[in-house]
Amino acid sequence: AQKVTQAQTEISVVEKEDVTLDCVYETRDTTYYLFWYKQPPSGELVFLIRRNSFDEQNEISGRYSWNFQKSTSSFNFTITASQVVDSAVYFCALSEASRWALNFGKGTSLLVTP
Amino acid sequence: KAGVTQTPRYLIKTRGQQVTLSCSPISGHRSVSWYQQTPGQGLQFLFEYFSETQRNKGNFPGRFSGRQFSNSRSEMNVSTLELGDSALYLCASSLGSGAADEQFFGPGTRLTVL
Repeated sequence: AQKVTQAQTEISVVEKEDVTLDCVYETRDTTYYLFWYKQPPSGELVFLIRRNSFDEQNEISGRYSWNFQKSTSSFNFTITASQVVDSAVYFCALSEASRWALNFGKGTSLLVTP
Repeated sequence: KAGVTQTPRYLIKTRGQQVTLSCSPISGHRSVSWYQQTPGQGLQFLFEYFSETQRNKGNFPGRFSGRQFSNSRSEMNVSTLELGDSALYLCASSLGSGAADEQFFGPGTRLTVL
């Protein structure tokens, strides 16, 4: 069985604050893929990043960074200097190599206020 | 390149009716997946089609079915609608080469069952 847990249901920050969204996953597969998606108020899911289970290198893309730690089964997402446009629901998802299906966490709703 | 399109965007049905939702993937994408999004259950995988064949199925009753045509367009059908079927139904397309594929999501069809 696979499972993705996003313990933070809602987070509210003031613009320019840094914020970290947590994601913990469970899988028995040795080959799997982790994703983060953003769902703005318009509703369409937007792909942010993909990581495979063999690549624990952290990644930075502009104000976004991701920390993947197999030892703790976590794939956390940090937004540096948050902006109002970052307000959205963020989903962490897991896909096992043997199964073409994304298993999503319940999402974290991020509100950035001016 | 046009994105994933879903029609209709909104639907209102009554209990017991059936409904068909349509999804046109990005040109060149051969895999189409369907997800149901509700406030209570979050995003749940329904099924995935590749080259007109269902490769994966989630944990939904047989009232939920789908198909894919030779041009990769897909439809999903829900028969004997129940109140709990009210949800945002999201379609995603990908190249279909494997579980690592980035999935591109459409805007969704919001179904309301009265």
